[in-house]
Amino acid sequence: QVHLVQSGAEVKKPGASVRVSCEASGYTFTDHFLHWVRQAPGQGLEWVGRINPTTGSPDFAEKFQGRVTLTSDTSISTAYMELSTLRSDDTATYYCARVGRLCSSNTCVSTYAFDVWGQGTVVTVSS
Amino acid sequence: EIVLTQSPGSLSLSPGERATLSCRASQSVASSTYLAWYQQKPGQTPRLLIYGASNRATGIPDRFSGSGSGTDFTLTISRLEPEDFALYYCQLYGRATVFGPGTKVDIK
Repeated sequence: QVHLVQSGAEVKKPGASVRVSCEASGYTFTDHFLHWVRQAPGQGLEWVGRINPTTGSPDFAEKFQGRVTLTSDTSISTAYMELSTLRSDDTATYYCARVGRLCSSNTCVSTYAFDVWGQGTVVTVSS
Repeated sequence: EIVLTQSPGSLSLSPGERATLSCRASQSVASSTYLAWYQQKPGQTPRLLIYGASNRATGIPDRFSGSGSGTDFTLTISRLEPEDFALYYCQLYGRATVFGPGTKVDIK
């Protein structure tokens, strides 16, 4: 069974950094892009960025450029999101999510949608 | 960057009624392949309903359907069940993935 298991809740002070991990199981880690999405309390979903686990190449939402680092460790099927210079408005639940694929015979195509989500990591930024 | 707008912001309906949710892109989408819909209930993670604008995800009941192309996309719930009252988000996938602000479907 496919799972994404995230690290536990974090409480940080403004200006600090936080690193959230996302451990994948039940599938080949390098076969699927991993994305990070956050949701502030009572608010909608906001895309943070994505990583290609095979190459380690990331893409970020413009508002997070320079503040977020996305990495992956294929040896332990784990992706990481580090957000620096935290502010109070970074308080949110952070999710990792896998991009789905459809496979037939020897061909697989992306669904361009998030079929499996981590359970979420609550990050609270407070002085 | 494309911006997604969802309407209405909220919808009050009774079980058994039909729900029609709209998602509009600020510019024409390159392909409807990149448009997805999610459902989220309070305290839960989002759940994929529709990918490629019109394909139901695994395990999604056939009362959920998606359609659209270009700038206008629709999620239809043909007959609302009690468990369908939730928040619904559309998403456009890309190097800069974006979500719409959501439509809340609540019980009338």
